[in-house]
Amino acid sequence: EADIYQTPRYLVIGTGKKITLECSQTMGHDKMYWYQQDPGMELHLIHYSYGVNSTEKGDLSSESTVSRIRTEHFPLTLESARPSHTSQYLCASGAGTSRQPQHFGDGTRLSIL
Amino acid sequence: KNQVEQSPQSLIILEGKNCTLQCNYTVSPFSNLRWYKQDTGRGPVSLTIMTFSENTKSNGRYTATLDADTKQSSLHITASQLSDSASYICVVSDRGSTLGRLYFGRGTQLTVWP
Repeated sequence: EADIYQTPRYLVIGTGKKITLECSQTMGHDKMYWYQQDPGMELHLIHYSYGVNSTEKGDLSSESTVSRIRTEHFPLTLESARPSHTSQYLCASGAGTSRQPQHFGDGTRLSIL
Repeated sequence: KNQVEQSPQSLIILEGKNCTLQCNYTVSPFSNLRWYKQDTGRGPVSLTIMTFSENTKSNGRYTATLDADTKQSSLHITASQLSDSASYICVVSDRGSTLGRLYFGRGTQLTVWP
């Protein structure tokens, strides 16, 4: 089992609140990713990072932001949550070459009321 | 447009039976193809990964095949168990990307009944 952790696992919160989803990995991987997954749909990349102080937007436009101050930590923040943000958010990490399988956390299921 | 299509969308089989899941892709240039298993409420877990030169790879009761010419892959599950109930996701990486960016299928939802 890969050591990548996401908290919280579930979050139900009201509209307009600021939310931070935590993701940490203990494998020393440089690359980290955030994906969004809706039921029955494919995963969509929303953010990724090559390493410390590196962040890029992914394929799917997202109102969230990320930071990478430490190698092991890649939090995702929503400044003002809306019902359209309701989804599952999966964090992943990978080694330097694209051939390495990405390791996923168990996700945060977010519901905005 | 790079795409990954999986079939069937869902499948129900009896415990002990075998099954085969299909994945067709149009991703180019191709780098590798991975099959993941995603249990309900969990993150995906890698089962197999194959490059262009590999046409079969096994992981216990799971055997993946790859035909890079026809851009098709299959995942064969032998002697299914109740714990095999999950979504199986085909993921393709293109050679043009150095960042591990992946193209995901929507998955096949497998249910194994006792």
